[in-house]
Amino acid sequence: GQQLNQSPQSMFIQEGEDVSMNCTSSSIFNTWLWYKQDPGEGPVLLIALYKAGELTSNGRLTAQFGITRKDSFLNISASIPSDVGIYFCAGYTGNQFYFGTGTSLTVIP
Amino acid sequence: GAVVSQHPSWVICKSGTSVKIECRSLDFQATTMFWYRQFPKQSLMLMATSNEGSKATYEQGVEKDKFLINHASLTLSTLTVTSAHPEDSSFYICSSVGDYPYNEQFFGPGTRLTVL
Repeated sequence: GQQLNQSPQSMFIQEGEDVSMNCTSSSIFNTWLWYKQDPGEGPVLLIALYKAGELTSNGRLTAQFGITRKDSFLNISASIPSDVGIYFCAGYTGNQFYFGTGTSLTVIP
Repeated sequence: GAVVSQHPSWVICKSGTSVKIECRSLDFQATTMFWYRQFPKQSLMLMATSNEGSKATYEQGVEKDKFLINHASLTLSTLTVTSAHPEDSSFYICSSVGDYPYNEQFFGPGTRLTVL
């Protein structure tokens, strides 16, 4: 099925740095979701966005639902080693969910 | 968020045997459950969507006779990999959506299947 364009594919950053990743699609979504997946585990929901323009924070994480409803970004501030993992975006059209290809984050202490 | 469990978390089996994976929603009624397959360092690949009390809807290219899905109750869905072969080795993850909000998926911890 369709997958969202997620970038970057991977990131290597120093501890303490901020991180930004985004997802774009040709389709309009009514919900954007951001997940984190640790190795050997299932994805865990970080943030859910329901309205265009919505900006939501969860601790050091901030995500926004794009005005066009075709994109979203996730920012992580002051990264720490436990932020390591793969981050996935997901969009819901009202009928189906679509997932991004993932951003692999490595935090160097 | 909602809690979804999967069992077993890890299974090794011989080629030709069948393996059943259970997915349970522990604190809500899951009208819809999804089954995904994930290869190393890749995104989630949707295999099928199951709705309680009805037949599962399989994605193109997924053999329904090989990957049997049963969603007999609002809290339990099972995936049976029949006559498993080494190429079926993968990480299988289920997820659930509840009645409200319907637009959030909650994932199980996954099952690592290794077929020898």
